[in-house]
Amino acid sequence: EPEVTQTPSHQVTQMGQEVILRCVPISNHLYFYWYRQILGQKVEFLVSFYNNEISEKSEIFDDQFSVERPDGSNFTLKIRSTKLEDSAMYFCARQDRDYGYTFGSGTRLTVV
Amino acid sequence: GEDVEQSLFLSVREGDSSVINCTYTDSSSTYLYWYKQEPGAGLQLLTYIFSNMDMKQDQRLTVLLNKKDKHLSLRIADTQTGDSAIYFCAESRTGGFKTIFGAGTRLFVKA
Repeated sequence: EPEVTQTPSHQVTQMGQEVILRCVPISNHLYFYWYRQILGQKVEFLVSFYNNEISEKSEIFDDQFSVERPDGSNFTLKIRSTKLEDSAMYFCARQDRDYGYTFGSGTRLTVV
Repeated sequence: GEDVEQSLFLSVREGDSSVINCTYTDSSSTYLYWYKQEPGAGLQLLTYIFSNMDMKQDQRLTVLLNKKDKHLSLRIADTQTGDSAIYFCAESRTGGFKTIFGAGTRLFVKA
């Protein structure tokens, strides 16, 4: 199975700016996820994406967040107006079978 | 809500066994996992156990599940310096449901 590749590996942005995190390439899997980990804290669920629609989202995933699969392979997470507390490591994952994920290596987002 | 708790640090000597413990709250968990994260990398699925099993062994790894107490442990036999990493306990229901992770246990292996 191909790896899950995330870009960029590190993004620094100013508060209030929009960022787009990318997860490429994605093979023909149905379930995709975004998680994040604030330094020293738990890996938190953000959103799951099934059959090109959001299937579940957490309280963290408010109106500032959106996900897309624009061309059938890329999977993006957009944060419209970043806040300082959005600084975290963001992980994309796919579900290969009924259990277990394959994760990307993450994007470290730093909001200044 | 669902929660997963694990201790943050564990230090062992090379060649000793490591035991990393975890507790979870969701009684509907179907799968319980251990993921490993090495520096600069994503989480990698190390092993998993179905909730109807008590134990699973895979080479140097032994997973024990006490479903009554909602306690999961990972034992690494003959721990090597290459085992130094962060180990995440996690649980989920059936496929497609979100997975709930702990904060990770950082394992230090001293030569």
